[in-house]
Formats: sequence, structure tokens, C-alpha cells
Amino acid sequence: KQEVTQIPAALSVPEGENLVLNCSFTDSAIYNLQWFRQDPGKGLTSLLLIQSSQREQTSGRLNASLDKSSGRSTLYIAASQPGDSATYLCAVGGNNDMRFGAGTRLTVKP
Amino acid sequence: DAGVTQSPTHLIKTRGQQVTLRCSPKSGHDTVSWYQQALGQGPQFIFQYYEEEERQRGNFPDRFSGHQFPNYSSELNVNALLLGDSALYLCASSLGGSHEQYFGPGTRLTVT
Repeated sequence: KQEVTQIPAALSVPEGENLVLNCSFTDSAIYNLQWFRQDPGKGLTSLLLIQSSQREQTSGRLNASLDKSSGRSTLYIAASQPGDSATYLCAVGGNNDMRFGAGTRLTVKP
Repeated sequence: DAGVTQSPTHLIKTRGQQVTLRCSPKSGHDTVSWYQQALGQGPQFIFQYYEEEERQRGNFPDRFSGHQFPNYSSELNVNALLLGDSALYLCASSLGGSHEQYFGPGTRLTVT
């Protein structure tokens, strides 16, 4: 059974700082890995999707990497802003299902 | 282009009752997945529907059942509600089962 872990559980940084969120998974037989953002009480917004054959994806200030062999993914956020404050979820896509980590709650202070 | 929509937004039920939640997928998508998200946790996979059949199921009891209609919309039914069923229920759609998933805003279910 796929287990997904996110570290740290919570992170507080000053505005402008670059930061890295970590995601690890136990089964390397994945189809894809997706990073989401969730604001309190809201649904999930997809940030980046990495297919199993890819090593990284970039969108604006966000960069996500994938290392299947070690069971790890990282989400890099450059020049953080207060508007980036949210919970970030990592999800591993398997055969017709998706398994999530518990998320990292990010606070960016002005 | 409308994204994934869910109804209702909020729902309050009593223990033992039954509830039906609804989801309309993003235009062009044929697969719907349902997730339960308890407070402070990541979403847990309930099941996935494709071509009107349940294709994959997570570790949820038979009290949780679903349906997919010919227009790809879907319902989640929960019978004999327990207090522990209180959660945010999320619906996601995709083109195929193992592709990028798009989530709706969720339905907040409170069981008292």
C-alpha cells in the first residue's frame, strides 16, 4: 500500500525567502505526482503535475522535482509572498487512484 | 468552461441518516473520483467511477456507495451516518483514471 509523507508539517518563513517542501512515498511504481494548494475550508488547486517519466516541472515561481528511485519529490517556491500562505499537498497517482500526504501548512509573514 | 462542481456546499445530518452528494465533472472528462478529508488531514481515496462502474476502491466500508450517470456526473451515498463521517468530501474528475485530476470545491458534511 502506498504511503505518502510530507515534511515539515508546518513552516513559517518571512516574505521573500526561498523554501522547499518535501514529499516521500513508499512505492516507486507511480503514474504521476501532483502538487496541490488548499486554502482553509476550500477545495484543491492543482499547481504542478509530474509524469512518471519526467524529472521536474516548472510554473512561475514554483518548481517540482521527482526522483522515483528514491521515492521523493520536492516543491521549491522562490521569493515567497504572503499570498502563498496555504496548505500544500503532495499526491501520488497510482493505478486509478491517488494517495495524499497530510500536507505542509505554510505561513509567509509580511 | 465550467470546472468541477459539487452540491450541496454544506450539509448537516443526524447519526443514522443517509446522505447523497453530487458532482459534475469538468467538461470532456469521463472519470470521477471521490475523497474524504477529515480536519487537518490529507484527502483519503474513497472510489473511482469510469463508464458507470466502480473501477477502484479505497479502504472504506460498504456504507459508502456511488453511482455514475451516462453524462459522467456522479453521486456519493453514505448510509447509517456516524459522527466520524463528518468531513469535507471532494470530487475530482480526469480524462482516464491515472491522469491529472481536477478538484471541485467540496461538500462539508457535519454529522450530529
